[in-house]
Parts: sequence; structure tokens; C-alpha cells
Amino acid sequence: GQNIDQPTEMTATEGAIVQINCTYQTSGFNGLFWYQQHAGEAPTFLSYNVLDGLEEKGRFSSFLSRSKGYSYLLLKELQMKDSASYLCAVRDARPASGGSYIPTFGRGTSLIVHP
Amino acid sequence: EAQVTQNPRYLITVTGKKLTVTCSQNMNHEYMSWYRQDPGLGLRQIYYSMNVEVTDKGDVPEGYKVSRKEKRNFPLILESPSPNQTSLYFCASSFRQDEKLFFGSGTQLSVL
Repeated sequence: GQNIDQPTEMTATEGAIVQINCTYQTSGFNGLFWYQQHAGEAPTFLSYNVLDGLEEKGRFSSFLSRSKGYSYLLLKELQMKDSASYLCAVRDARPASGGSYIPTFGRGTSLIVHP
Repeated sequence: EAQVTQNPRYLITVTGKKLTVTCSQNMNHEYMSWYRQDPGLGLRQIYYSMNVEVTDKGDVPEGYKVSRKEKRNFPLILESPSPNQTSLYFCASSFRQDEKLFFGSGTQLSVL
């Protein structure tokens, strides 16, 4: 099984930088995803980490430390449109009973960006 | 346009009245799954399918059925809906099970 922990809510100012943390406990690890979900909409893929280190993609970066069971999503030059929920999802190294490696999602972090 | 199409967007029904939520993807994805999303609980997997005629239970399968007769379609069936199934439902697909998920636009279901 997996236990994934994220802060429930964060606030930040337009133009600033914000870091959203995700910690996980899993019997095995095979990748971590970050998704963005605007209110009333579907989640959309942001990033994927399977090895330690930082993955940069424009204003968004994602970091992973497998030994610490820790990841963060870094958002730079915040814009009002970045107000959304950010979902951390961890994939176990061992398949479920039916053979699926589908990730388990955390409860999400609601980010509010103020002008 | 590559997409996952889910219908209906909103559905209000009464306890015990069978309903089906449809899901179709046009990306030739092997993997499809259904999630429900509830406040404070996040996304929880209901059922998944790794290919045609191959389905299996997720974390919260009770009260739901699925079928995968064709690669593109993966309907979610509630034979006898109950109020505790009031939720926001998402269908998702990926080319393989270890790749990023593409989500449908969601179905807000209310069971009275």
C-alpha cells in the first residue's frame, strides 16, 4: 500500500515562487507524477519523475528524492491562472492483484494565487 | 483531436435507477480506468482495464460494473445507485499503464 501526504492548501502572490511538497511511503517505488486540476475540470499531466533529481519544464519544475520519499513541484513566476489543485501520484513498484501499476493519488494541494 | 470523451457531464438520478456513464478514447490506448473524486479524499480508482476483455477492481469497486468490449470504449455501470455514490467521476486512459493519464472532462453524479 501507499501513503501520500500533501498540504491541503497554499497561497502565494502573483509573480512569486511556490514549492508544493509531496511525501510518500510505499513498499516499492516506480515513478511519481504531478497533475494540475482547475476547479470543475479534469486533471492534466505536468511532470513525471522516476530518478532522483530535478526535471525542469518551463515555469514548472519537479524534484524527486527516492531515499527520502519526497518530491516537490516548483512553480516560478506565478500567474493567476496557476490557481488550481496540484495532485501528486505515486506508482508502486509491484503490481496490484490484477497486474496494474496504476498510481495512487494524494488528496491534492489547492493553490490560490493572489494579485 | 486526441481526447477522452465522457458523457453525460451532469446527471441527477434517484436511488435504484440503473445508469451508465460512457467513456470513449480515440488515441488507441490500451489502458483505461475510472476514478471518483470526493472532497477531502482525492481521486480513488474504481475499476481499470489493461486491454479488451481484461478488467479488474481498483480501490473502491463496490456498487460499480464496467465492460471493455472494444478498445476505445469503457462504460461505467451503476446497477442500483445509492446516495453514497454521489460524486465526480473521471474516466482516464493511457497508451500503457506506466504512462501519463489522459482524463475525460468528468461526470458530476447526484443520486437522490
